[in-house]
Amino acid sequence: AQSVSQHNHHVILSEAASLELGCNYSYGGTVNLFWYVQYPGQHLQLLLKYFSGDPLVKGIKGFEAEFIKSKFSFNLRKPSVQWSDTAEYFCAVNGLNNNDMRFGAGTRLTVKP
Amino acid sequence: GAVVSQHPSWVICKSGTSVKIECRSLDFQATTMFWYRQFPKQSLMLMATSNEGSKATYEQGVEKDKFLINHASLTLSTLTVTSAHPEDSSFYICSAPDSTDTQYFGPGTRLTVL
Repeated sequence: AQSVSQHNHHVILSEAASLELGCNYSYGGTVNLFWYVQYPGQHLQLLLKYFSGDPLVKGIKGFEAEFIKSKFSFNLRKPSVQWSDTAEYFCAVNGLNNNDMRFGAGTRLTVKP
Repeated sequence: GAVVSQHPSWVICKSGTSVKIECRSLDFQATTMFWYRQFPKQSLMLMATSNEGSKATYEQGVEKDKFLINHASLTLSTLTVTSAHPEDSSFYICSAPDSTDTQYFGPGTRLTVL
């Protein structure tokens, strides 16, 4: 069965600091990978996704993620965070022909102004 | 991106009553929709897969007789929490994949059972 682990439960950064949130997955096949963000009081929004091709994926709001197949990882990065990036971030994975999506536990990011 | 709506956004009910939550894909069709449950400060847990024209498939530990799912059309799935109890209080979220298999999520429904 597929599973997703996110290493950091809560990350606190100051504005302009660089961000990297870890995500590792376990799945016996080809996967699609996603990062979702949930701002306080709002619903999940797609940040970026990887299906195939260039393993470095760029998403909205300056976020990017790199798929490293050998490490089963899909870490999320942003060079300079803003206070408005304060939110919960979820890594998710589904199989190539399977819409059954599994989520990581989430990482709460707090950016101090 | 695609839009998924849920109704109602919040509901309060008495213990023992049933509550229906609707999930609609507004600008695309979805033969499959998913229902999740999210507890405070926790991740989403997949409850069941709603299949248009056939029975829903439930995750292990989810009572199918308690959480009734009906996928009435290619744009509508409903989740009915039957005989709700306080422990069913939670945030229920649906999602639907578009033609590129990207999941779009509804805004969620907060259920409070008194």
